Amino acid sequence: DSGVTQTPKHLITATGQRVTLRCSPRSGDLSVYWYQQSLDQGLQFLIQYYNGEERAKGNILERFSAQQFPDLHSELNLSSLELGDSALYFCASSVGGMDTDTQYFGPGTRLTVL
Amino acid sequence: GQQVMQIPQYQHVQEGEDFTTYCNSSTTLSNIQWYKQRPGGHPVFLIQLVKSGEVKKQKRLTFQFGEAKKNSSLHITATQTTDVGTYFCAGRAEYGNKLVFGAGTILRVKS
Repeated sequence: DSGVTQTPKHLITATGQRVTLRCSPRSGDLSVYWYQQSLDQGLQFLIQYYNGEERAKGNILERFSAQQFPDLHSELNLSSLELGDSALYFCASSVGGMDTDTQYFGPGTRLTVL
Repeated sequence: GQQVMQIPQYQHVQEGEDFTTYCNSSTTLSNIQWYKQRPGGHPVFLIQLVKSGEVKKQKRLTFQFGEAKKNSSLHITATQTTDVGTYFCAGRAEYGNKLVFGAGTILRVKS
């Protein structure tokens, strides 16, 4: 158990819909990262927040957005969902925002878009 | 943009055989991390290498960072069935701010 929690575990929805994925980092960790893992794309970095501020941006679509709240939990919002958005979405956290920080991954949310 | 290539994509070995996965970056890296993901699980941090030419060992696992800090390898000696999973390398460019993951190497071990 990494100490990072993600809800829900599974999510099934239809194309065009909007969903919100939630992540609670390990106690004391200030950074939260979001990743998308699909069969054909591997593990893709989406975005990083550090202490409430966006720190780094990866291959995140405009239909996706994220935020980190004052209590440091984070939400990833996915809108206008397409079939290709079906994937495992992982959240990870680290102590700080340094590039040498170890990232601890949560169990993931499996999103299925029908 | 920065790319991290990992080979092989897949390897199936007999228990007791050795296994190596290689990671190559298109740019010089400030550091490289290795993760293991068991089937149905989430990536778990194994190790981080920072210095040029660095070699680190964890029991049967040996990690190397190239002299030019553009490549890395993970070698497992005498594989066991508990080694099955996908091994990912992840590197951050020297002046970059995001961690880029390789596609991973899937390891299967026959007992």
